[in-house]
Amino acid sequence: GAGVSQTPSNKVTEKGKYVELRCDPISGHTALYWYRQSLGQGPEFLIYFQGTGAADDSGLPNDRFFAVRPEGSVSTLKIQRTERGDSAVYLCASSLYPAGTGQTSGNTIYFGEGSWLTVV
Amino acid sequence: QKEVEQNSGPLSVPEGAIASLNCTYSDRGSQSFFWYRQYSGKSPELIMFIYSNGDKEDGRFTAQLNKASQYVSLLIRDSQPSDSATYLCAVKGGQGAQKLVFGQGTRLTINP
Repeated sequence: GAGVSQTPSNKVTEKGKYVELRCDPISGHTALYWYRQSLGQGPEFLIYFQGTGAADDSGLPNDRFFAVRPEGSVSTLKIQRTERGDSAVYLCASSLYPAGTGQTSGNTIYFGEGSWLTVV
Repeated sequence: QKEVEQNSGPLSVPEGAIASLNCTYSDRGSQSFFWYRQYSGKSPELIMFIYSNGDKEDGRFTAQLNKASQYVSLLIRDSQPSDSATYLCAVKGGQGAQKLVFGQGTRLTINP
């Protein structure tokens, strides 16, 4: 597609429920990132995929959060037993190469419009 | 100490003036520095990146980097109302890190 696509754009769920958020990166982009952004804050890193593997998952807040990218393209962020504190915008981003590799535009990170998650 | 710090603002600048946005970072090994603009309810979009000490100009935007002081700034010349947004500073650390660490953002308002 033309840009990073995220679904759903909005999700309201009850506390304790399971949620899946989907990201379809720009075609051909090898690097994929998940960030979480709360109101008035900058994006907070969650996890980074290079191809199919999670190269850095140090930002996942706890074991309720999990993400996969089985075929090296689409990624799904999964949140179990949701809590009200999970309410945020979940941003997916992709780049042709990993961020900061070299000095070319190939490592520019492009963000999707986000999935707005509200846990009530 | 936060890894990347910005003045959260809001910063108010008259139209046509220069807006100056500042950012400091804690990881001395950081290698790459990015400025993103984020309109309310929208996703961040890249404005500029800078890797080397000094200034980098792109149209009305100038990024400045001082690695010794661990400081990066963004200047916006001839500010326009359409520049009103939150500006996010992002840093890629050293030691092979591939993720970007963002500051909390500075909300900028350009007054006509």
